[in-house]
Amino acid sequence: AQKVTQAQTEISVVEKEDVTLDCVYETRDTTYYLFWYKQPPSGELVFLIRRNSFDEQNEISGRYSWNFQKSTSSFNFTITASQVVDSAVYFCVLTDSWGKFQFGAGTQVVVTP
Amino acid sequence: KAGVTQTPRYLIKTRGQQVTLSCSPISGHRSVSWYQQTPGQGLQFLFEYFSETQRNKGNFPGRFSGRQFSNSRSEMNVSTLELGDSALYLCASSSSGLSYEQYFGPGTRLTVT
Repeated sequence: AQKVTQAQTEISVVEKEDVTLDCVYETRDTTYYLFWYKQPPSGELVFLIRRNSFDEQNEISGRYSWNFQKSTSSFNFTITASQVVDSAVYFCVLTDSWGKFQFGAGTQVVVTP
Repeated sequence: KAGVTQTPRYLIKTRGQQVTLSCSPISGHRSVSWYQQTPGQGLQFLFEYFSETQRNKGNFPGRFSGRQFSNSRSEMNVSTLELGDSALYLCASSSSGLSYEQYFGPGTRLTVT
């Protein structure tokens, strides 16, 4: 069975601090995909990043970076130099080639000026 | 490109009634998926349609159904509404399916009284 665990319920930081969001997943499939989505107060989910199970290369995209480690089944996400506009709920998502789709519980990020 | 649109944005229904929600995907996207978001259960996958066929389905009772039209627009129907169906219903579209980034609409807020 699939499972996505986001142990952090809420993270509060002051602007310009870095924020790292943890995500641990479980799946028996060898082919799967991991995503991070952001849900600002307006409610509309916004796609941030996607990774497939065969690509463990970690990258940086602007202020976002991610650390995908299959050995520990983790897919952590970091926001560098946080801004107030980063305040939102962040969801880690797992899907596989069979169409099973699982959201984590979400982590509320609060950035204060 | 216009984003994903959902109508209506807000809806109030009485227990036992049925409701139909509508979703218009991004032009050219053939995959439309539906999600339910509640404070207690979080975000849950309902189903995905691709080229008018239901391709994937989550763990929801048969009261929840959907369809997709030839222009990729999709409708979701919930029959015999229960109080627990009160939720934000999100629709998303994708060019290729659940393994790729989803573009979400603003959602329909359904309240069942």
